[in-house]
Parts: sequence; structure tokens; C-alpha cells
Amino acid sequence: EDKVVQSPLSLVVHEGDTVTLNCSYEVTNFRSLLWYKQEKKAPTFLFMLTSSGIEKKSGRLSSILDKKELSSILNITATQTGDSAIYLCAVEAVTGNQFYFGTGTSLTVIP
Amino acid sequence: EAGVAQSPRYKIIEKRQSVAFWCNPISGHATLYWYQQILGQGPKLLIQFQNNGVVDDSQLPKDRFSAERLKGVDSTLKIQPAKLEDSAVYLCASSIGQRLLSLGNTIYFGEGSWLTVV
Repeated sequence: EDKVVQSPLSLVVHEGDTVTLNCSYEVTNFRSLLWYKQEKKAPTFLFMLTSSGIEKKSGRLSSILDKKELSSILNITATQTGDSAIYLCAVEAVTGNQFYFGTGTSLTVIP
Repeated sequence: EAGVAQSPRYKIIEKRQSVAFWCNPISGHATLYWYQQILGQGPKLLIQFQNNGVVDDSQLPKDRFSAERLKGVDSTLKIQPAKLEDSAVYLCASSIGQRLLSLGNTIYFGEGSWLTVV
């Protein structure tokens, strides 16, 4: 059965800390892995990763995929209260354009 | 470019009543998804359409949920009769859906329809 597992489930940090969120997957016919940020509304797209070892970066956020380990990490440096959200990992399968979501990591950044 | 449109944003109904949600995907997106997201959980796929055909509805509770995408554009998700455990956010999403894309698809979400069943 295809599945996506995220860890930790929740995390509380202080402003300025660096956090690492994990996503592992078992998905047949993998095509890409996506990260989303969800505040009190719909998930918004952060990154799409298709190749191992190539880091995607946007400001204080970065992500990398390891196809050998079937996993990805999302790093956030110098966290701010505005980073408080649920971070979702999704994996796309080639067959049928299907996306499998993890349960998310809830991040809370305390001032 | 307009995003995925959904309505209504919020709905409160009593159990055993019915409710319908509407979605208009991004123009040109062939694939449309309905997800159910219960508080504290990740989105769970209810049904996936490719144009007006169903690709996957294996997790749709067909005794009470139905969905259609008659002209391959807009879609409607209906719940009848609603149960307390149906309280959730119903997210509509779309993607280009081209299976030959080597670089992968991005799935775009609407704002969601928040359902409370009392």
C-alpha cells in the first residue's frame, strides 16, 4: 500500500531556531515529491522535488530529496512566528497523476 | 491566472441533512481532486477525475457521498445524509494532469469548504 509518513507530528520552537522536517515514502512509480505549507486555509505550494541530491531553496526554506532512502527533508532556518503552520508532504505517482499525502507536521514558533 | 474556486466557504448543517459543494478548477487543468481533511490529519483523497471520467474513487463512501464532473470542468461533491464524522474541510484541487510530463505535476488547492455537522 502506498504511503507517506511525516515526522515529527508536531514541533514547538523559539524564534530564530532552525528546524528539520522529515518525509519518507513508499509509493509505487514515484515521480515527484512536493511540500506544502498550510495555515488556516488551503495548502500553498512550496517545493517540488524530482531529482536526488539537488537542493531547492526559497529564502529561509530549503528542501532536498534522497531517492535511495525514499525520503526528503524540509529545513527552515531562523524561524519566525509566521512560519507557524502545518507542513504537508505529498508524493506523486506516475500512474494516474495520483498524489499521496502525509499527515503533516504541525510547527509552532514561539516569540 | 485565477486559482481553484470553491463554494460555499462555510456550511453548518444538522445530521441527516444534505449538502453540496462546488468547485471550478484552474483553466486548462484536466485533473480534478476532492480531498477530505479532518482536523489534525492530512488530506485524504475522496475522488479524482481526469476530464469527466473517474480515475479513483476507492475511498469515497458511496452510500452517502457522490461527485460529478459532467462537462470536464466544474465539479460538485454531495453528501446525503450527513453524519457527525463528516465534519471536515473539503478541499478541491486541480493539476494539469499530463502523464507525459517528466518534471512532475503540481497540485493546486482551493480555499476549501468547511463543513460542520451538528
